[in-house]
Amino acid sequence: EVQLVESGGGLVQPGRSLRLSCAASGFTFDDYAMHWVRQAPGKGLEWVSGISWNSGSIGYADSVKGRFTISRDNAKNSLYLQMNSLRAEDTALYYCAKDLVVVADNPGYFDYWGQGTLVTVSS
Amino acid sequence: EIVLTQSPATLSLSPGERATLSCRASQSVSSYLAWYQQKPGQAPRLLIYDASNRATGIPARFSGSGSGTDFTLTISSLEPEDFAVYYCQQRSNFLLTFGGGTKVEIK
Repeated sequence: EVQLVESGGGLVQPGRSLRLSCAASGFTFDDYAMHWVRQAPGKGLEWVSGISWNSGSIGYADSVKGRFTISRDNAKNSLYLQMNSLRAEDTALYYCAKDLVVVADNPGYFDYWGQGTLVTVSS
Repeated sequence: EIVLTQSPATLSLSPGERATLSCRASQSVSSYLAWYQQKPGQAPRLLIYDASNRATGIPARFSGSGSGTDFTLTISSLEPEDFAVYYCQQRSNFLLTFGGGTKVEIK
């Protein structure tokens, strides 16, 4: 059974940093791209960032480019999101999501999701 | 960035009725479009990918069509569990975007 468990969320002041983690199990982690998707309270979905199976391709939404960094450790079956210079508009539930296609050249669909970790940016 | 516009924002229907949801892209995404269902308090669920392929375990009453800039998700006969919010999403050069969502509510 595929499981994705996010951690690291919490309350943080504007301008500070936070690092999210996602522990994956139940599938061959290093065969799949992984993503972070967020959802502000009462709002829609926003893709934040994605990383290919071998970390060779990385993408970011314009809203986080230059502030957030995605990474993965295939030996630990883990995905990370380093979030710097946080803003109030980064407040959201952050989901870790697995890509649909194995060893995808052009990743971008999400077939499994975690339950999310809540990030609140406020003074 | 490719913008996806979903319509209508809200669709009020009764169980057993047909639901037709629209998603329009600001530029061509070929067939690289997916649909997701999200219920309150739950993570989204993948329904359709590459415009018309049903994901594993998705009932046949869900179907997708379209290519280029205009896409449709059809639910042939609404079941009680289908009342939810639906999002379209495109993948293009690793810069992915979602539409704003369509809420399908009970009339």
